[in-house]
Amino acid sequence: GAGVSQSPSNKVTEKGKDVELRCDPISGHTALYWYRQSLGQGLEFLIYFQGNSAPDKSGLPSDRFSAERTGGSVSTLTIQRTQQEDSAVYLCASSLIYSIDGYTFGSGTRLTVV
Amino acid sequence: GENVEQHPSTLSVQEGDSAVIKCTYSDSASNYFPWYKQELGKGPQLIIDIRSNVGEKKDQRIAVTLNKTAKHFSLHITETQPEDSAVYFCAAGTALIFGKGTTLSVSS
Repeated sequence: GAGVSQSPSNKVTEKGKDVELRCDPISGHTALYWYRQSLGQGLEFLIYFQGNSAPDKSGLPSDRFSAERTGGSVSTLTIQRTQQEDSAVYLCASSLIYSIDGYTFGSGTRLTVV
Repeated sequence: GENVEQHPSTLSVQEGDSAVIKCTYSDSASNYFPWYKQELGKGPQLIIDIRSNVGEKKDQRIAVTLNKTAKHFSLHITETQPEDSAVYFCAAGTALIFGKGTTLSVSS
């Protein structure tokens, strides 16, 4: 596609429920990244995928968070047993080549846990 | 791992003035330094970047300088306009680590 597409754009969920956030990267981009942005805060790195290599999960805040990337394209970030502190905007980005190319970000998914 | 510090956190200027945002990084192996602009309700957008083999890069009213010895880089915006008002992020590292952002307000 023309840009990075994220869905849903907004998600309200009850505490304790699981949520799945989707990211469609730019076609042909081999690297995909997830970041979290809390209100008024910077971008917190969560995880990245590069081609068929094992993902770097070093930024995931707890074992309730997981992500997968199927077929080297679409990625899903899953948050299990959501907590109120998980409320944030979750941003996905992709790039043509890992680490030496600028990222293109999606518009994010605003997650609210009530 | 990489650590990026960004200053100031907020910056208010008059239209037509210049604005400068500074960042420092910790990992001497970092070789790519992008700047992003984020408008309300949108994802960050790349506005300029610099690689470690150059010291300065310009694109119209925007310039970025890099000092690898001191491990800092800066964004310079000249002749600021109200539409420059946004949050600006610097980044560094292999999987980019972002600074905490600078909220720039340009008043007319």
